[in-house]
Amino acid sequence: NAGVTQTPKFRILKIGQSMTLQCTQDMNHNYMYWYRQDPGMGLKLIYYSVGAGITDKGEVPNGYNVSRSTTEDFPLRLELAAPSQTSVYFCASSWSGQPNTGELFFGEGSRLTVL
Amino acid sequence: QKEVEQNSGPLSVPEGAIASLNCTYSDRGSQSFFWYRQYSGKSPELIMFIYSNGDKEDGRFTAQLNKASQYVSLLIRDSQPSDSATYLCAVKVASKLTFGTGTRLQVTL
Repeated sequence: NAGVTQTPKFRILKIGQSMTLQCTQDMNHNYMYWYRQDPGMGLKLIYYSVGAGITDKGEVPNGYNVSRSTTEDFPLRLELAAPSQTSVYFCASSWSGQPNTGELFFGEGSRLTVL
Repeated sequence: QKEVEQNSGPLSVPEGAIASLNCTYSDRGSQSFFWYRQYSGKSPELIMFIYSNGDKEDGRFTAQLNKASQYVSLLIRDSQPSDSATYLCAVKVASKLTFGTGTRLQVTL
């Protein structure tokens, strides 16, 4: 199993550009999450999904969009990139069945810089 | 009030000592509690989770939960230089996991 795979690992965007961060998991987890982590800070929840076709906003959703058409994939779309979106983005998944530890499995992160 | 609060540190302890990391949370509906370790430039990895009041031990790590006081702590016994990292407390409510800002631990030789 590859676990949670994020692409790209690094990206530099110009202000106003758009892009999609890809996330896929092969563990058949129904829950998926997008977090961002600013330097020296904890993780802030952007969006999450409890299953295909279902998404919901987290703590900091403005400037982002998501979709969940399959169990495996949960892409994060940045529209009109702004310097405030410079961050490291982590995708994560978890299993809600039994046994349910609630543990999140993280991807390696995507480092985004907006100039 | 932040949902999950941690002292950012750094917390410096000598090798072989006990490191004590603390976390408080605001939502009394919180169901489960997690400690993640994050090395610089890496993704978080789970160390322990705890659901019930009291202590839970796993090797050198002990998680302690007090729901009445709304705090959770992590003790690391016989601290090693390899334990130097940022420790993130996370609290689960329904399907969402909310993280604290993390405490940076430095284990000195």
